[in-house]
Amino acid sequence: DAKTTQPNSMESNEEEPVHLPCNHSTISGTDYIHWYRQLPSQGPEYVIHGLTSNVNNRMASLAIAEDRKSSTLILHRATLRDAAVYYCILTLRSNDYKLSFGAGTTVTVRA
Amino acid sequence: SAVISQKPSRDICQRGTSLTIQCQVDSQVTMMFWYRQQPGQSLTLIATANQGSEATYESGFVIDKFPISRPNLTFSTLTVSNMSPEDSSIYLCSAKGVYYEQYFGPGTRLTVT
Repeated sequence: DAKTTQPNSMESNEEEPVHLPCNHSTISGTDYIHWYRQLPSQGPEYVIHGLTSNVNNRMASLAIAEDRKSSTLILHRATLRDAAVYYCILTLRSNDYKLSFGAGTTVTVRA
Repeated sequence: SAVISQKPSRDICQRGTSLTIQCQVDSQVTMMFWYRQQPGQSLTLIATANQGSEATYESGFVIDKFPISRPNLTFSTLTVSNMSPEDSSIYLCSAKGVYYEQYFGPGTRLTVT
């Protein structure tokens, strides 16, 4: 299975951008890159996903390296509500695009 | 997006009993999933709930322990059978969106005594 590597934790200041890295060096051509986050005591929340091109939505931006072996989730202006565990997940066509959660990155936002 | 609700939100059960968790989606979806999140851990996929056929279980999970029903495109249940304290976890359901994203319910926090 293609795996992802994320830092265990990151800290940010409120209203500053947050760049969350994810390495996925064994990604294959049909694998999508997904990001989810889980706020304390809540179910995971879909953030964004992409295949090859950079993606933007109201929550975040996803920057995908040209060789697709890494990606970065960008929160443009962190708020206290963005404190959560962020999961970078590859969904594989060979596995019916199921989600396999790793440990994720715990993001702390300082006021 | 889809809005997912689960019932109950939490329960405390005695060992040896069973609990059925309900998951309701506000729109028709093709695929629904059940996950377990043990204390302090990440999520683990239990099974895919298939409408009109038996659920597909992941390695380490069996139908006798976690029977699943999916009677229609908006509803599914997960039963945790013959519970032991090791089954104390948060159980979450999710539904697949249009582009392979998944939307999650709030979870059911189960404590087995």
